[in-house]
Formats: sequence, structure tokens, C-alpha cells
Amino acid sequence: SAVISQKPSRDICQRGTSLTIQCQVDSQVTMMFWYRQQPGQSLTLIATANQGSEATYESGFVIDKFPISRPNLTFSTLTVSNMSPEDSSIYLCSVPGRGRETQYFGPGTRLLVL
Amino acid sequence: DQQVKQNSPSLSVQEGRISILNCDYTNSMFDYFLWYKKYPAEGPTFLISISSIKDKNEDGRFTVFLNKSAKHLSLHIVPSQPGDSAVYFCAASALNSGYALNFGKGTSLLVTP
Repeated sequence: SAVISQKPSRDICQRGTSLTIQCQVDSQVTMMFWYRQQPGQSLTLIATANQGSEATYESGFVIDKFPISRPNLTFSTLTVSNMSPEDSSIYLCSVPGRGRETQYFGPGTRLLVL
Repeated sequence: DQQVKQNSPSLSVQEGRISILNCDYTNSMFDYFLWYKKYPAEGPTFLISISSIKDKNEDGRFTVFLNKSAKHLSLHIVPSQPGDSAVYFCAASALNSGYALNFGKGTSLLVTP
């Protein structure tokens, strides 16, 4: 299985500011994914980050709000821009394991926007 | 539109007994189903998965059963242990959506001594 780390583990931010979340994987992977879990809700895919190409965003998520970087095969960042209290969530990155049979998640970044 | 549903928000089971966690789905294009366990303040931990070409997959104490005609799957944990107390998420993916996972809202399992 992949070992995934995220920074920061948690943060409290003021509305209108931006936060960049880092995701580091211990092996090279073509695809990395960013999910969000709002309070009391299920995990929702934000976007897929492929190295060397633009991220692919799911319906309801846009690049201006959640810009993503993927500079190499082991690292990605997600920025939450111009934050509002509705952005308070757990943000998680994940990578596929054996094809579509498995997918491994990082520990998450707990964000509270005041 | 919730395509993966876990209708029981919580479940309490005695240690040593069987825990059965249920999951229903609506999208007939789903062909992989995954179960995750999540402790507070941690990310989801992959447990077991099943392909739609199978009806059962077993790994140690964990067995997942898939009933495609009913669009229903279940995770059995036997025997249940107090360390199994966590939130369990069911997730599904469809070939035409690549690796994107659709998650249920989770079932909180409490295993009592």
C-alpha cells in the first residue's frame, strides 16, 4: 500500500484568505485525487491531478476556487481560495493501488474557516 | 443525488459476534465496490473490495457480499473486536468514471466488550 502524508494536518483560517494543502506519496503515481468531506457528509471527489497536464474537476468544483498543482509523480497541492465558512471540511488526497480495486487515502487536512 | 447509500447511521454489536454493514447503490454502471474504515482524526483505511463479476470476497475476518440484482452489498466482520469500532464507508466506481469513488455517508460501528 502507498504511504501518504498531508500538510498541514489542521488549520483555522479567516474568511477571504487562501490555504494550500500539500500531499506527498512514497511512490511514483500517475494519478492523484483530491476529496472533500464536509461535516456529516460523505467524501466527494473534487478533482483528479495528473502529472504533466491540467487537473480534471468534478461537477460543482472549479479551478479558480480549487487550483491544483502536480509538479512531479509524488507530490500535489490543493489550494482553497477566497475561503468562506462553507469551505470548512476535511480535505483528503488519495492514490490508486491495484488498478481500480484499491485506493489509498492520506490522513486528511481539517480546515475550519471563521 | 446520493448514488451510494448507507441507511444505518450506527450499529452496536457485542464483541465476538458478527457485524453486518449494509450498502445500497442506484447506478448500474458501478463495477467496483470498496469498503473503508475510518477512525476519528485519521484518513479512511482501505479494507476490502469486490468486482461486479464476483458475489463474494473474503479477507481474514472481513467478507463482502454483492447482490447485483438487488444493487446491494454488505460487509461482514467475524468475529467483531472492540478495535473494529469506527465509521465504515462504502464506495463505488464506474468504468466510465475512471477511478472516481462515490461514497456513502458511513455507518458508525460500536463493538462493546
